[in-house]
Amino acid sequence: GAVVSQHPSWVICKSGTSVKIECRSLDFQATTMFWYRQFPKQSLMLMATSNEGSKATYEQGVEKDKFLINHASLTLSTLTVTSAHPEDSSFYICSAASTGVYEQYFGPGTRLTVT
Amino acid sequence: DAKTTQPTSMDCAEGRAANLPCNHSTISGNEYVYWYRQIHSQGPQYIIHGLKNNETNEMASLIITEDRKSSTLILPHATLRDTAVYYCIVRVARGDGGSQGNLIFGKGTKLSVKP
Repeated sequence: GAVVSQHPSWVICKSGTSVKIECRSLDFQATTMFWYRQFPKQSLMLMATSNEGSKATYEQGVEKDKFLINHASLTLSTLTVTSAHPEDSSFYICSAASTGVYEQYFGPGTRLTVT
Repeated sequence: DAKTTQPTSMDCAEGRAANLPCNHSTISGNEYVYWYRQIHSQGPQYIIHGLKNNETNEMASLIITEDRKSSTLILPHATLRDTAVYYCIVRVARGDGGSQGNLIFGKGTKLSVKP
């Protein structure tokens, strides 16, 4: 299957700072990318959907000014957590899909810890 | 997207077949059944999907009932590495360039493969 990478795999930051997470599709062009968040012992929750060159569509309850998503190219999407707080500590996972392909391919996830 | 119901957990002996059930009684005619799994602290992995016919690939088999209200994922010879949370998801998926439905993750089934 197709490969999706995330960077960094884990990050620790101080409260009030911003953190950027990258999601790359390595061997295919991702027309749509998705960002999920997963708290311990819970399921994945979709945060937002982004199409290349367009503004992201955020799920209800997700603050778009706090979680900035950029999908500037067909192989790269970034999620920036602005003014991070300890409650933002979570496992962030991206996935990518291509037009005409039925499945989404997931990245390995990024563990964010805000101290 | 239709909701699914899965058992919370299941055990399986190594080398035996693991049969994971899923109920999706409100599935619509244009919704596919997808299966993903998530090994601890990793991103989800696509396993298989189907519309109404049974499907098989190198990982698993998918058996969908004739009325499409339930399905079973079969791992023919479970190994310890198959220990994971398995998610059954139904969604619209159009491979003709139309937009794909989002993947909405439920709680899944925690499969434990024991030696």
